[in-house]
Amino acid sequence: EAGVAQSPRYKIIEKRQSVAFWCNPISGHATLYWYQQILGQGPKLLIQFQNNGVVDDSQLPKDRFSAERLKGVDSTLKIQPAKLEDSAVYLCASSFDRNHWYFGPGTRLLVL
Amino acid sequence: QKEVEQNSGPLSVPEGAIASLNCTYSDRGSQSFFWYRQYSGKSPELIMSIYSNGDKEDGRFTAQLNKASQYVSLLIRDSQPSDSATYLCAVNPPAYNRLAFGKGNQVVVIP
Repeated sequence: EAGVAQSPRYKIIEKRQSVAFWCNPISGHATLYWYQQILGQGPKLLIQFQNNGVVDDSQLPKDRFSAERLKGVDSTLKIQPAKLEDSAVYLCASSFDRNHWYFGPGTRLLVL
Repeated sequence: QKEVEQNSGPLSVPEGAIASLNCTYSDRGSQSFFWYRQYSGKSPELIMSIYSNGDKEDGRFTAQLNKASQYVSLLIRDSQPSDSATYLCAVNPPAYNRLAFGKGNQVVVIP
């Protein structure tokens, strides 16, 4: 079974630039999550999708972050414009029930 | 009040000793509890899950759950240098199908 795929693995941009991350969940997993993990902290949920609908985006800074999950499969997370404090690891995860979550390798973003 | 709290600072243990990690959670209705291990530069890796009060053992790892005290712990017996990592406590709040994480505890096993 293929795992959760994410790309790119690393990204360096300057502040005020835009960036996009891609996630392909495990086949058949209806729920997809984007987490932000700042160095030294635990992952923080940004947005949760159930199929192609948003379940929870209460922690997503909507003035600069956007996310979509077209056709209920792949998802894209975008930051525009980026700030220095957006430097973090962006983790995508998927699940098929309440007790099993699978994490991708993450995208490491550095904003200069 | 944070959903999941891990308040201990970095933990240094000699090789072969027991490492003990603690976690508290705020939502009394939570039913599923997890411990993840995260090596530097890697994504979280599930090492233990526990759903009912008491102890659950898996190899050198033991998870303990006390729902009355809203407390979850992880014991690592016979600690090895390869156990050096950050350990994240995670809880699945009852109203949501998601994981809420604590800030993590760094464990350093000294040979």
